[in-house]
Amino acid sequence: AQSVTQPDIHITVSEGASLELRCNYSYGATPYLFWYVQSPGQGLQLLLKYFSGDTLVQGIKGFEAEFKRSQSSFNLRKPSVHWSDAAEYFCAVGLFSGGYNKLIFGAGTRLAVHP
Amino acid sequence: ETGVTQSPTHLIKTRGQQVTLRCSSQSGHNTVSWYQQALGQGPQFIFQYYREEENGRGNFPPRFSGLQFPNYSSELNVNALELDDSALYLCALTRRGQETQYFGPGTRLLVL
Repeated sequence: AQSVTQPDIHITVSEGASLELRCNYSYGATPYLFWYVQSPGQGLQLLLKYFSGDTLVQGIKGFEAEFKRSQSSFNLRKPSVHWSDAAEYFCAVGLFSGGYNKLIFGAGTRLAVHP
Repeated sequence: ETGVTQSPTHLIKTRGQQVTLRCSSQSGHNTVSWYQQALGQGPQFIFQYYREEENGRGNFPPRFSGLQFPNYSSELNVNALELDDSALYLCALTRRGQETQYFGPGTRLLVL
């Protein structure tokens, strides 16, 4: 069955430090992959997506992610974290079946940023 | 972005009651999905509507039902509420054939 694993439940980094959030997926075909961010009390905002082509994708707010088929991973990175990046981050796989599409999410990684 | 709106923002109900949540957008996205996000978890797919018909459902019982209207707005109805229905309910919009879904701010439901 398709699934998404985010191994880190909670991560704390200092402002200005680099960040990598891990995501592993289980899916038989080439996946559609997404990263969303959720601030407290808010909905989900799309950071970036991968469908095909270049395996390094750029997103909003200075984030990037790299698709590695051999490792079934789609890790999110940012070279220098800002205090406003504190939020919960969700990795998701997009599935298309029977004429409809749905997202399968990981459990999320909560990011805290120290000044 | 799509300007997805949801109402109400918060809601408190008691067990056994029924609730209706609403989702709308002016973007013209013709496909709407609903997700349930329990505390500390990722969102889970409830169902998707296109052309006013349900065309996909996740692992949720029939007491979760929906509607989509000609203007693409949507409702999620939950009957016979249970304590475990307490969650953030998110609607997501897309266009048929497109992969990216755009989420609203959610409705937080508390069942007592």
